[in-house]
Amino acid sequence: DAKTTQPPSMDCAEGRAANLPCNHSTISGNEYVYWYRQIHSQGPQYIIHGLKNNETNEMASLIITEDRKSSTLILPHATLRDTAVYYCIVRVRIQGAQKLVFGQGTRLTINP
Amino acid sequence: NAGVTQTPKFQVLKTGQSMTLQCAQDMNHNSMYWYRQDPGMGLRLIYYSASEGTTDKGEVPNGYNVSRLNKREFSLRLESAAPSQTSVYFCASSEFAGSYNSPLHFGNGTRLTVT
Repeated sequence: DAKTTQPPSMDCAEGRAANLPCNHSTISGNEYVYWYRQIHSQGPQYIIHGLKNNETNEMASLIITEDRKSSTLILPHATLRDTAVYYCIVRVRIQGAQKLVFGQGTRLTINP
Repeated sequence: NAGVTQTPKFQVLKTGQSMTLQCAQDMNHNSMYWYRQDPGMGLRLIYYSASEGTTDKGEVPNGYNVSRLNKREFSLRLESAAPSQTSVYFCASSEFAGSYNSPLHFGNGTRLTVT
């Protein structure tokens, strides 16, 4: 299974861009990188995913390095509601379904 | 558009009691999943249903049963609850279980305590 490594915590000022890094050096060619976040004890919230190209949606941007060994999630204008634990995940297919291989996550705190 | 809805939100059971956790999705997804989340363990897959009419075991199926009632609903049953089943249970759905390019969408969880 591909594993991910993230910093345990980060701080960011409200209104600034939050850049969250993730290493996934053992990722294989057909595995996507997914980002989820979990606020308090709510269910994980899907943010974005990508294979090898950079991706952008209404929530965030995902930058994947050319060798695919690392990626960065960018929240362009962080708000206090973005305070959460962010998980970088590589999904592995087992027996026809997806196993979520979670890293330890990064606890992002947005400061006013 | 509610997404994935789980009931109940909280439950306390005594050892040996049974209960069913309910899950429904309104995104017309083919695949549905049950996970449990424990401190330091991440999310572990209990059972999944790749499509209506099929169910399969995940990583930690012992002590649980599931029913895919229809395309929208997927229930998880604990026949004889044990303290080791104290956890937060999340239901999720995705368009296609077999695709890497198919995000999972989660409900807000059921917090179960077994005493």
